[in-house]
Amino acid sequence: KAGVTQTPRYLIKTRGQQVTLSCSPISGHRSVSWYQQTPGQGLQFLFEYFSETQRNKGNFPGRFSGRQFSNSRSEMNVSTLELGDSALYLCASSLVGMGNYGYTFGSGTRLTVV
Amino acid sequence: AQTVTQSQPEMSVQEAETVTLSCTYDTSESDYYLFWYKQPPSRQMILVIRQEAYKQQNATENRFSVNFQKAAKSFSLKISDSQLGDAAMYFCAYSRPTGNQFYFGTGTSLTVIP
Repeated sequence: KAGVTQTPRYLIKTRGQQVTLSCSPISGHRSVSWYQQTPGQGLQFLFEYFSETQRNKGNFPGRFSGRQFSNSRSEMNVSTLELGDSALYLCASSLVGMGNYGYTFGSGTRLTVV
Repeated sequence: AQTVTQSQPEMSVQEAETVTLSCTYDTSESDYYLFWYKQPPSRQMILVIRQEAYKQQNATENRFSVNFQKAAKSFSLKISDSQLGDAAMYFCAYSRPTGNQFYFGTGTSLTVIP
C-alpha cells in the first residue's frame, strides 16, 4: 500500500514568485491536511480538505491556498513568496479526517525562497 | 486554544537504556486524543503511539509506552531498550475527537549513544 506522496521533494524559488506543491494521499483516504514546519515556529496547521471541501484553515495569510481534487489528491499554492515562507511543507492524509485516527504523513517538500 | 509544551529540546540515551520524553498540554476539553510522532532525518512523521483521554490505561506499543496523567495534563513517552534507530525528533500532539487539526509541541531531539 503506497504511502502519502509529496512532490517535489525540494524546491528553490525566488521572492515574489508563486509555487504549487502536490500531495497524493493513501488510496481511500479522503482527508488531506497541510502543515508548515520551520525551526522557529515549529509545526503549524495550514488547512484541511475533505471530499474537495476546505473544512478548516489555520492562521495563515491569504497567499496560502489549497484545493483538493475528486481523486483526493491535493495541491497547495503560495503566491508572492516571501523569504519567511522557506519551510518544510508536510501533507498528511486520513481516512475520514477525524483526529482520533491519527494521520499518515508524507516526507514533505522542502521549499527554499531566495 | 490548545497548547502543547515539550520542555526538553534535546535528550540523549545510551543504547539499550530507557529514556522518558516529557509533554504537557493545556485544554479545557474533557475528551481528546494525544499522540507521539517521530520524525527521523527522512522527514516523514511516523506515528509512535496514541492515547485516548477517556481511557485511564496507558497506551503501550512494544518498547514504547506512555504515562498519561489527565489531571496534571501530562503525557510522557518512555522508550525502553533504546536502539540506534530511535534517534529522531519526537513530537507530542493533541487532537479533538472530531477535529481534523493537530496541535504540536516544539519537539525533542533524541540522540542514541552507541
